[in-house]
Amino acid sequence: KQEVTQIPAALSVPEGENLVLNCSFTDSAIYNLQWFRQDPGKGLTSLLLIQSSQREQTSGRLNASLDKSSGRSTLYIAASQPGDSATYLCAVTTQGGSEKLVFGKGTKLTVNP
Amino acid sequence: DAGVTQSPTHLIKTRGQQVTLRCSPKSGHDTVSWYQQALGQGPQFIFQYYEEEERQRGNFPDRFSGHQFPNYSSELNVNALLLGDSALYLCASSPREDQASSYNSPLHFGNGTRLTVT
Repeated sequence: KQEVTQIPAALSVPEGENLVLNCSFTDSAIYNLQWFRQDPGKGLTSLLLIQSSQREQTSGRLNASLDKSSGRSTLYIAASQPGDSATYLCAVTTQGGSEKLVFGKGTKLTVNP
Repeated sequence: DAGVTQSPTHLIKTRGQQVTLRCSPKSGHDTVSWYQQALGQGPQFIFQYYEEEERQRGNFPDRFSGHQFPNYSSELNVNALLLGDSALYLCASSPREDQASSYNSPLHFGNGTRLTVT
């Protein structure tokens, strides 16, 4: 059974700092890994999707890496801003013909002005 | 182009009652998945509908059932509500599984329905 773990559970940083969020998964047989952002009481917004054959993806100040063999991914946020404050969720799509996502519990990020 | 829309946004029900939640997928998507997100937890997969049939199911009891209509919209029904069913229910849509691009396309989520069972 696929399990996804995110560390840390919460993170508070001053504005402008670069930061890294961590995600690990137990079964390396994945199709892809996605990072989502969730604002309080809202749905999920997809930030980056990394296919299993890829090593990283970049979008603006965000960079996500994937090491499938070790079951790890990181989300790097450069020059953090208060507007980045949200919960960041990592999820994997397991192989087997399903689009079911298995999520971690998320990292709650607070960027202080 | 409308994204995934869910209704209602909030709902309060009493233990033992039944509830129906609704979802319209993003334009061009015909696969709908439902997730339950308890407070402080990541979303958990309930089931997925494609071509009006349930294709995959997570570890949820039969009290949770669904339906997909010919226009690809979907309903989630929960019978005999328990206090533990209180959660944010999220709908996500995606293109067909057999399209080459399906595993390269991120899921699109709605804003969810907040269900409170008292």
